Amino acid sequence: NAGVTQTPKFRVLKTGQSMTLLCAQDMNHEYMYWYRQDPGMGLRLIHYSVGEGTTAKGEVPDGYNVSRLKKQNFLLGLESAAPSQTSVYFCASSYRRDRGNTEAFFGQGTRLTVV
Amino acid sequence: EDQVTQSPEALRLQEGESSSLNCSYTVSGLRGLFWYRQDPGKGPEFLFTLYSAGEEKEKERLKATLTKKESFLHITAPKPEDSATYLCAVQGPMDTGRRALTFGSGTRLQVQP
Repeated sequence: NAGVTQTPKFRVLKTGQSMTLLCAQDMNHEYMYWYRQDPGMGLRLIHYSVGEGTTAKGEVPDGYNVSRLKKQNFLLGLESAAPSQTSVYFCASSYRRDRGNTEAFFGQGTRLTVV
Repeated sequence: EDQVTQSPEALRLQEGESSSLNCSYTVSGLRGLFWYRQDPGKGPEFLFTLYSAGEEKEKERLKATLTKKESFLHITAPKPEDSATYLCAVQGPMDTGRRALTFGSGTRLQVQP
C-alpha cells in the first residue's frame, strides 16, 4: 500500500519551460489537492479536486493547471515556468466524509527549481 | 478567511524537558483542527484531529488539546527523535465544498540529547 506517490521527486527547469507533476493515490480517496510549501509561508492550496473529472482553484492557482481524468491520479501542470514557482510541491488526498477520518494524506513532495 | 498562527517559530529543548506548542486559529465554523509532523525532505505525517472544544488526544509523548480559539500540542519528556516541524491546520465549513486545510507556518522543534 503505497499511499500517495509523487513523481518526479526533484526537477530543475529553465524559465519558460513546461512540465507536469504526477500524483497517484491507491486509497480510493475522492478528494485530491495540490499544495506548495515555501519557507515561512506554510502550505498553500493551488488547486483541488472533489472527484474524477472535476477540478477547482485554490488560493494560489495562477500559472498552474490541473487535470483529474482518473480517480487515482491528479496532475499539476506548469505551462511556462517562472522563478517564482520555485518551491516544494505536495499532493494530498482525503476521504469524502462529513466527520471522522477526514485527514489528508500527503506525498513525499517534489522539489522544483526554476532558473 | 481562515487563519492559523503557530508559536513559537522554533523551539529548542533538552531531552526530557517538557513544553507546549501553540496554534491560534480563526475560522467561521471549525470542522476540524489537525496536527501534522513533518521531517526534513518529507511530506507532512498526520498526528491528530480534534473536532470540538475540550477534546484531547494522545499519542506516545504527544497530547493535543483544543479550545474555541487555540490548540496546544504538549510534548512530555521529549526525545531527540521528536525533532521535526509540527504543523497545525484547520478545516472550515463544509459548504465551501473543497474540504481543504488552511495551514500555519509550523514550529520547528529540536530536542538535544
